[in-house]
Amino acid sequence: GDSVTQMEGPVTLSEEAFLTINCTYTATGYPSLFWYVQYPGEGLQLLLKATKADDKGSNKGFEATYRKETTSFHLEKGSVQVSDSAVYFCALSDRMNDKIIFGKGTRLHILP
Amino acid sequence: GAGVSQSPSNKVTEKGKDVELRCDPISGHTALYWYRQRLGQGLEFLIYFQGNSAPDKSGLPSDRFSAERTGESVSTLTIQRTQQEDSAVYLCASRPPTGTPYEQYFGPGTRLTVT
Repeated sequence: GDSVTQMEGPVTLSEEAFLTINCTYTATGYPSLFWYVQYPGEGLQLLLKATKADDKGSNKGFEATYRKETTSFHLEKGSVQVSDSAVYFCALSDRMNDKIIFGKGTRLHILP
Repeated sequence: GAGVSQSPSNKVTEKGKDVELRCDPISGHTALYWYRQRLGQGLEFLIYFQGNSAPDKSGLPSDRFSAERTGESVSTLTIQRTQQEDSAVYLCASRPPTGTPYEQYFGPGTRLTVT
């Protein structure tokens, strides 16, 4: 079945460092891909999305590009801030159903 | 406006007891999802309600788990005869009628601990 694999955390970086959180997927067909973020004490919220190959999703300085050839959707940010500390989930949705499959999540700590 | 709310935020129960978890979706959202997140794991889909259609129960792990939703309002997830492996954060999400799957709005979750 469909699945999502993302790098295990926690990831600890200093403020203004470059961030990459790797995500790869296995799916039949052509899924939509997402990154969700969960800030401390808050619910999950959609961070960005891409619905077809080579699409780039972006939001709040974060970017991820849908790479069909490598089945990847890595999350990047050029300069992280303390406020980016959160848990990040990579996810996919098959176009044929209404369910989302999530990765295990990666906890990110940004040190001032 | 108000987001998805869940209650209680934390629940500690003894093994063998029944528990009820509540989700209040955003008003007007026709779709409602329940997920489970065990420590160090991803979100597991449990059940999906869409309007008046029969719910998709394909993710419920055993017959101890059940969920109800009346119309497009509150949903309750019931776990009977709780086991220690049921300890997890239970998340609820809702979606507007015109939304695609990724437009899910999540509640803060209920942390269930079975002792």
